Amino acid sequence: DTGVSQNPRHKITKRGQNVTFRCDPISEHNRLYWYRQTLGQGPEFLTYFQNEAQLEKSRLLSDRFSAERPKGSFSTLEIQRTEQGDSAMYLCASSLWDGQETQYFGPGTRLLVL
Amino acid sequence: AQTVTQSQPEMSVQEAETVTLSCTYDTSESDYYLFWYKQPPSRQMILVIRQEAYKQQNATENRFSVNFQKAAKSFSLKISDSQLGDAAMYFCAYRSGGSTLGRLYFGRGTQLTVWP
Repeated sequence: DTGVSQNPRHKITKRGQNVTFRCDPISEHNRLYWYRQTLGQGPEFLTYFQNEAQLEKSRLLSDRFSAERPKGSFSTLEIQRTEQGDSAMYLCASSLWDGQETQYFGPGTRLLVL
Repeated sequence: AQTVTQSQPEMSVQEAETVTLSCTYDTSESDYYLFWYKQPPSRQMILVIRQEAYKQQNATENRFSVNFQKAAKSFSLKISDSQLGDAAMYFCAYRSGGSTLGRLYFGRGTQLTVWP
């Protein structure tokens, strides 16, 4: 069990550019979550997948955001036409839905939009 | 939507002493789960303890225990024999009990400082 991994750990981009983040969950976990955390706040839910199906999306996930989990394993989160307000820590978590559920978090990707 | 409130932005404790972090939540659901997560300066969120709402017994994990008051919608975390490594941001989180309702709702966190 290597834990949840996220790449890159840090990303600096210019406003208007597209960025993509990757999350690799714990191998046997069938659920994968994305959260966003800004300074001084708790994480806020963005979206989650069960296997390859995207089951829920937050209103925070504007049209510029898209997430995929094509084979039910790793997931990508893409932000198009980045804005300065997108600067945040993007956290990924995974869990095994077996009647009970605990989410395990990755180290996050810190995004800075200049 | 469910809300989670942590009214203490910062707390401090002397090493080896006990500290209690407060959390309240608002929900109309009867089936749910509550969690405390720890986020050290390295930023990776770590699960500290979880509580199922249907269980009357308070959860404990070594030096960590909770005081779950369902009627009052209160879920406090007690850390006994505090250690320097306990210094971190602590988040209280809520999850609905339904199988498709997986999202966590987090409070704003309590920054815990441990003094030697």
